[in-house]
Amino acid sequence: DAGVIQSPRHEVTEMGQEVTLRCKPISGHDYLFWYRQTMMRGLELLIYFNNNVPIDDSGMPEDRFSAKMPNASFSTLKIQPSEPRDSAVYFCASSPRGGISRGYTFGSGTRLTVV
Amino acid sequence: AQSVTQPDIHITVSEGASLELRCNYSYGATPYLFWYVQSPGQGLQLLLKYFSGDTLVQGIKGFEAEFKRSQSSFNLRKPSVHWSDAAEYFCAVGFTSGTYKYIFGTGTRLKVLA
Repeated sequence: DAGVIQSPRHEVTEMGQEVTLRCKPISGHDYLFWYRQTMMRGLELLIYFNNNVPIDDSGMPEDRFSAKMPNASFSTLKIQPSEPRDSAVYFCASSPRGGISRGYTFGSGTRLTVV
Repeated sequence: AQSVTQPDIHITVSEGASLELRCNYSYGATPYLFWYVQSPGQGLQLLLKYFSGDTLVQGIKGFEAEFKRSQSSFNLRKPSVHWSDAAEYFCAVGFTSGTYKYIFGTGTRLKVLA
């Protein structure tokens, strides 16, 4: 199993540009989570999906952020337009059915820098 | 309100010494409890978890954790630390109220002296 795969590993973009982060969860996992990690705020849950359906997006900071999961093997997190305060490491994680008790598997993250 | 507290931001221990990292939570029932480790530039790796049963749980890399209901704590321990254990450690709590999201603590950064 290749684990949770995120791309790109690093992204540097200029303020105002659109940024798309990608995630491939572990095959067979029903849940997918997007987290953001910063020094100031730690790990924050942005949104999570169950069977490709967004369940809780209360952590999405603004309308500039959007996430989709068109199928069970792919999800995107988009920021448009990007701002310097969006600079962070973005993690995707997936979990099997019954995942609340089984823990998440995290990807290696995408380090986003907005200049 | 539901919360997770890791009171120690940084901990430094000598290689071979014992280790205990603290985690406290606030919740009206017994939650699902986890410890994760994050090495620099990497994602989070699950060390161990507690759901029910024996309150002392064993995990990977020689770590263990003990759930104490009376203290609302889930402290992580290791009898003898290795230099490779230097990393950041996160306690996480999953609540049994129907949501599938965890709350993570702010993390404890462990430094190991040779």
